[in-house]
Amino acid sequence: QQQLQESGPGLVKPSETLSLTCSASGGSISSGSYYWAWIRQPPGKGLEWIGGIHYSGGAYYNPSLKSRVTISVDTSQNQFSLTLNSVTAADTAVYYCARPYSFYRYSDSFDIWGQGTMVTVSS
Amino acid sequence: EIVMTQSPATLSVSPGERATLSCRASQSVSSNVAWYKQLPGQAPRLLLYGTSTRAAGVPARFSGSGSGTDFTLTISSLQSEDFAVYYCQQYHSWPGFGQGTRLEIK
Repeated sequence: QQQLQESGPGLVKPSETLSLTCSASGGSISSGSYYWAWIRQPPGKGLEWIGGIHYSGGAYYNPSLKSRVTISVDTSQNQFSLTLNSVTAADTAVYYCARPYSFYRYSDSFDIWGQGTMVTVSS
Repeated sequence: EIVMTQSPATLSVSPGERATLSCRASQSVSSNVAWYKQLPGQAPRLLLYGTSTRAAGVPARFSGSGSGTDFTLTISSLQSEDFAVYYCQQYHSWPGFGQGTRLEIK
């Protein structure tokens, strides 16, 4: 059964770069044509899709974040990663990695989620 | 950008009763709508996709309807574990979520 686990620093300073990794287990991220996703949730607020990446490296991003976001994939480690530049307090959130329900669709429902990792932006 | 608006923000219902949650899209999203349940401190759980198809393991008391811009999640007979926050999501364009409806015990 596919499982996802986020990891990375819980505290990032303003203007610096947020970096998180999602490790997949129970299946290879290159075994199906999924667009592996990052989704975030500020405290007490709703969910925001950040972007998704195919194991081939093709990626789609939320237009509102596109200038600051890079999602990459490492199939040898069965991982994919998120980098968010020039962070501010507004980037404080729980960050989830997730797998869409269907192959080939970067925009889809998400049926497998990691447990989430809280990232606080503060000096 | 397609904006998803959920109503009400908070819904108070007694156990055993029916709950109806609404979600409206700012433009047509066809049937590309999903619903999630989120308990405190947990990741969202997919309940429905394609407006009305239940995800694996989701009880039959959860049902969905709608098309175009107006969608509904109905929980036919509320159980204690159903009191949570529910989110709708469209995937007609890049994914977008509603702001959530908190379902609380009356």
